[in-house]
Amino acid sequence: DIQMTQSPSSVSASVGDRVTITCRASQDISSWLAWYQQKPGKAPKLLINAASRLQSGVPSRFSGSGSGTDFILTISSLQPEDFATYFCQQANSFPWTFGQGTKVEIK
Amino acid sequence: EVQLVETGGGLIQPGGSLRLSCAGSGFTITASTNYMSWVRQAPGKGLEWVSVFYSGGSTYYADSVKGRSVISRDNAKNALYLQMNSLRAEDTAVYYCTRDPGSSGMDVWGKGTTVTVSS
Repeated sequence: DIQMTQSPSSVSASVGDRVTITCRASQDISSWLAWYQQKPGKAPKLLINAASRLQSGVPSRFSGSGSGTDFILTISSLQPEDFATYFCQQANSFPWTFGQGTKVEIK
Repeated sequence: EVQLVETGGGLIQPGGSLRLSCAGSGFTITASTNYMSWVRQAPGKGLEWVSVFYSGGSTYYADSVKGRSVISRDNAKNALYLQMNSLRAEDTAVYYCTRDPGSSGMDVWGKGTTVTVSS
């Protein structure tokens, strides 16, 4: 199985800050990577697929980059509604696997 | 509106069985490009992919449920199911039904149904 490792597990940031979250795959997954945002009590929401393709309706302050084993989710200017937990997920091969999550908290 | 609605969760004793249902609307669950999955989240924990139905009839399961679960779908009802047997305490979670239109990211999620395995 492909292991997905996110870092950091949590980050404290202020509104307007730039936030980066890293996701590392245990083997090459090309660009088969998705990023999700989850708020408490809600289902996850797809932000980015194919490592860097922004989903319709997702603000442009979110961006994704990387390929192979190393990926980054960047929030260029953190907004109040962005405080949430973020997960990466590989779709290269079954079983699909998620990172453990990164909680973005208010500083 | 594209939507998934899960039902069937509840409190079940260890060793029991449960069938989760997922009703789709606004799109065809059985479209050949759709990967329909179940994903679960234990209380306070991360996301765990459980099972997928894709390409007209192929299925795959996480090791944690393999041999105890069966994923299926009903074309006429536009529905997806997960039959879970020999339930354990560690199966306690919110179970989400999801759509991935091309093995590239799950773009539609239901609100989830809660399964609690406890005596």
